[in-house]
Amino acid sequence: GAVVSQHPSRVICKSGTSVKIECRSLDFQATTMFWYRQFPKQSLMLMATSNEGSKATYEQGVEKDKFLINHASLTLSTLTVTSAHPEDSSFYICSARDVDRPNTEAFFGQGTRLTVV
Amino acid sequence: GQNIDQPTEMTATEGAIVQINCTYQTSGFNGLFWYQQHAGEAPTFLSYNVLDGLEEKGRFSSFLSRSKGYSYLLLKELQMKDSASYLCAVRSRQAGTALIFGKGTTLSVSS
Repeated sequence: GAVVSQHPSRVICKSGTSVKIECRSLDFQATTMFWYRQFPKQSLMLMATSNEGSKATYEQGVEKDKFLINHASLTLSTLTVTSAHPEDSSFYICSARDVDRPNTEAFFGQGTRLTVV
Repeated sequence: GQNIDQPTEMTATEGAIVQINCTYQTSGFNGLFWYQQHAGEAPTFLSYNVLDGLEEKGRFSSFLSRSKGYSYLLLKELQMKDSASYLCAVRSRQAGTALIFGKGTTLSVSS
């Protein structure tokens, strides 16, 4: 399957600080990347769809000013959690879509465990 | 809107067969995916169905009936390492190419 790399795998930050998570497609160009969030014992929830060179599309209830998404190149999308609070502690996962290869969006990065203290 | 239902928990014994059901309601159906997720890890892709019928891949098989909005994941010759959450996800043209996930089924395999 398509290879998607996510970094960092774990991060602990203080309340009020910002954290940046990177999602890279390693063997294909990703015109679209997807960001999901998973709280403990719950399923994955789509947060936003990131399109290269344009603004991200956020799902209802997701604050775009808090979760900044930048998709500046065809292989990299970043999610920045601004002014993080303990309730933002979660597992953040990305996937990426190669327009020339169907179903590449089915493959996820390793995920980032964010803990805000 | 979209709705995906699957049982919350299931238990089974080593060597047995277990079937995990998933029902969905969506417009513009464009594929159903099954994932395995161990605690603390990202989901691992298991299978994909877009046409009716059974897809077999080793000990795992997945079935789809589009007319019934129904899928199942069949796990044979269960092993302890199969203890995990199993997530059903649907892609619809409404949601673009993002996947919408069910709440997942936690499977516990005992000896």
